[in-house]
Amino acid sequence: TQLLEQSPQFLSIQEGENLTVYCNSSSVFSSLQWYRQEPGEGPVLLVTVVTGGEVKKLKRLTFQFGDARKDSSLHITAAQPGDTGLYLCAGAEGVIYNQGGKLIFGQGTELSVKP
Amino acid sequence: DSGVTQTPKHLITATGQRVTLRCSPRSGDLSVYWYQQSLDQGLQFLIHYYNGEERAKGNILERFSAQQFPDLHSELNLSSLELGDSALYFCASGRQPTYEQYFGPGTRLTVT
Repeated sequence: TQLLEQSPQFLSIQEGENLTVYCNSSSVFSSLQWYRQEPGEGPVLLVTVVTGGEVKKLKRLTFQFGDARKDSSLHITAAQPGDTGLYLCAGAEGVIYNQGGKLIFGQGTELSVKP
Repeated sequence: DSGVTQTPKHLITATGQRVTLRCSPRSGDLSVYWYQQSLDQGLQFLIHYYNGEERAKGNILERFSAQQFPDLHSELNLSSLELGDSALYFCASGRQPTYEQYFGPGTRLTVT
């Protein structure tokens, strides 16, 4: 089984600051997804990256997939208290053509943005 | 709202008991996945069904089993429950070609 390591595990910043979360693996993934999870709720899909070197933007969030498709980063510009939550990266493994595959999740980054 | 529904939302039961968790995928999704989330283990993949057939298994205990029915809803059965089975159980569904998965709100299981 492939492993995904996220860093940092915890991040506490002030409103308006920028931050970057990293997701690293020694293995190649066919796709990588970022989720955000609130306490007691299910993870909510933010973005999927598929191509090496791909960059996607979602308002103040910028996602990048490494050239070798082994790592990814999430950058938040001018963080707001509403960004507070658990951010999870997940790589697709064991994909069967047209049938999907399981997700391997990183341990998550707990982000707290203070006003 | 992801479109994935799970029932019940909360479940409290005693050790040794058996429970059934239910999941309805998003309309049109043929794949259903089950995950377990605990504080010390994070989100762990349990099992994947595609159109009624089992496709992949994770570290699912022998006391746990699942199935997907012809109408595509799925049930996760947990038996001989132990204190350590207390966790959040999530169901997700997905479709091709991006392998994205959409998660339900989860069932919080507490074993006392």
